[in-house]
Amino acid sequence: QITLKESGPTLVKPTQTLTLTCTFFGFSLSTGAVGVGWIRQPPGKALEWLTLIYWNDDKRYTPSLKSRLSITMDTSKNQVVLTMTNMDPVDTATYYCAHLSYGSGDYYYDYWGQGTLVTVSS
Amino acid sequence: QTVVTQEPSLTVSPGGTVTLTCASSTGAVTSDYYPNWFQQKPGQAPRALIYGTSNKLSWTPARFSGSLLGDKAALTLSGVQPEDEAEYYCLLYHGGAQLFGGGTKLTVL
Repeated sequence: QITLKESGPTLVKPTQTLTLTCTFFGFSLSTGAVGVGWIRQPPGKALEWLTLIYWNDDKRYTPSLKSRLSITMDTSKNQVVLTMTNMDPVDTATYYCAHLSYGSGDYYYDYWGQGTLVTVSS
Repeated sequence: QTVVTQEPSLTVSPGGTVTLTCASSTGAVTSDYYPNWFQQKPGQAPRALIYGTSNKLSWTPARFSGSLLGDKAALTLSGVQPEDEAEYYCLLYHGGAQLFGGGTKLTVL
């Protein structure tokens, strides 16, 4: 059974760097055709895709936030870490990590974490 | 900057049929965009329903179907149930990156 869980600070100050960890079970990023993505959702607003790391350490970022984002993985710990610099109140959101399955030209986020609400405020 | 557009809101009667669409500002949505559809209920994480335009996950009810409709991706619900009231999001793949639509709030009334 695949599960994912996000962890990290619930409150960060403007200009600080946010570090969130996604700890997962039921799959390994050492095997092919999987990845882990990060998606966020400001309160009452739409989902926003942020970044994705594939099993082979290939990484993708949303263009508008690329300069502020970093994604890394630790296969020994079954973790993926999201770093976002220079946080602003508009970055207040629930941050989700999700398991990506892909192959034969198909991609889908089939398992999601419960999400963690991060508030940016002084 | 690419924008993915969905109907902000739709209303459907129980037992009815409704189609939600997903358009890209870059032009026609094709299967190369690997359209995905998600359902999200208040306080819950999104749940995947459709991938690769029309493929269902094991938990996707049979009344949900995905397709390409003209130059858009589409999600059709046939025989709508009260529990289908939710926010629905499409996700498109754009050159390696991914982009969600703004979501459609579906009301079953």
